[in-house]
Amino acid sequence: TQLLEQSPQFLSIQEGENLTVYCNSSSVFSSLQWYRQEPGEGPVLLVTVVTGGEVKKLKRLTFQFGDARKDSSLHITAAQPGDTGLYLCAGGNAGNMLTFGGGTRLMVKP
Amino acid sequence: DAGITQSPRHKVTETGTPVTLRCHQTENHRYMYWYRQDPGHGLRLIHYSYGVKDTDKGEVSDGYSVSRSKTEDFLLTLESATSSQTSVYFCAISGMRPNEQFFGPGTRLTVL
Repeated sequence: TQLLEQSPQFLSIQEGENLTVYCNSSSVFSSLQWYRQEPGEGPVLLVTVVTGGEVKKLKRLTFQFGDARKDSSLHITAAQPGDTGLYLCAGGNAGNMLTFGGGTRLMVKP
Repeated sequence: DAGITQSPRHKVTETGTPVTLRCHQTENHRYMYWYRQDPGHGLRLIHYSYGVKDTDKGEVSDGYSVSRSKTEDFLLTLESATSSQTSVYFCAISGMRPNEQFFGPGTRLTVL
């Protein structure tokens, strides 16, 4: 069974601070997805990374896939209240299956 | 937005009653999935489908069945609901790129 562990589970910061969320596994994944979920809604796909060492940027969000494709990180620069939500990482496997991490609940206070 | 709708969005039912949740897509995608989301457990796969009448079990399939008679519809049935099935249920469809999935808005089910 493949497992993905996210840390931290909860994060409460002030507007303008930087933060990093980690997603770690002992298994190799063919791809890594990051989602954001707001209360009462479904997860929304933010990014997919597929190559070891790959870095993708989405405005103030930077996503990195580990060289060995076992881990990933999400870095947010100058967090804003609109970044508040549940962040989920998911590892992709053969057959279009995803393994989800437990999530990081982020609150950004104005 | 991916064209995924779920119905109903909220349901309260009693233990022992049958419940069917519906997922409808307008994208004509082959793969469809049912997940449940619970505090402390994240998203867990219940069942998935890789085509009309082609389905398979996920991690937490006990107590659930599915059917897919048309590409656009994927039904999740709880034959006899139990309180442990109180959860938020999400349907997802595969994207154009491998391993990308797009989620519906969810159904909040409460079993009393």
